[in-house]
Amino acid sequence: QKEVEQNSGPLSVPEGAIASLNCTYSDRGSQSFFWYRQYSGKSPELIMSIYSNGDKEDGRFTAQLNKASQYVSLLIRDSQPSDSATYLCAVNKGPGGSYIPTFGRGTSLIVHP
Amino acid sequence: NAGVTQTPKFQVLKTGQSMTLQCAQDMNHNSMYWYRQDPGMGLRLIYYSASEGTTDKGEVPNGYNVSRLNKREFSLRLESAAPSQTSVYFCASSEYRTATIYGYTFGSGTRLTVV
Repeated sequence: QKEVEQNSGPLSVPEGAIASLNCTYSDRGSQSFFWYRQYSGKSPELIMSIYSNGDKEDGRFTAQLNKASQYVSLLIRDSQPSDSATYLCAVNKGPGGSYIPTFGRGTSLIVHP
Repeated sequence: NAGVTQTPKFQVLKTGQSMTLQCAQDMNHNSMYWYRQDPGMGLRLIYYSASEGTTDKGEVPNGYNVSRLNKREFSLRLESAAPSQTSVYFCASSEYRTATIYGYTFGSGTRLTVV
């Protein structure tokens, strides 16, 4: 079992819809969780971080963390064509473990007009 | 606000040639990292430097060496390039103690082809 798993997609949603991206992880000791956005041919860019159970909102983005079920999700409201990219989930074990995050392989999102 | 600067952006090498990828950050971060990204494989850690003066192997260190020249600069060297090292290479930096909160800042990448 991979440590951090994401559906590779592509996930296709119409403009204006909510895009829901999911990530599961295997290490119950994980403490910090990140979402990166990567446009084609570009480098990853950090868009959200979360480390407590529940929701964290930033503009059109909401990260959701459920440690009991070992998943983290990213919701993008009012999706725009400019949101079309690959979204990488990264998980840190934090204190007591390595500070180096483990990355998922990413989910490709396509927002069509 | 340059962030993390990588050079070169593109490079073509012949098998057996050597080269050094340069990385510099101006955010006063303690930790720096080198990743490679291949289709279907995601980001894989090659080497990292938690702080100036230290370096450690990551998931795929074979065929590479690194040097943490000072707090700002972290270079990656390919001593004898092989076609399997064809990839996109990213340098990243972070605050080590707070890496679990702030995440990484990535450079723009180096696209390397070994023929």
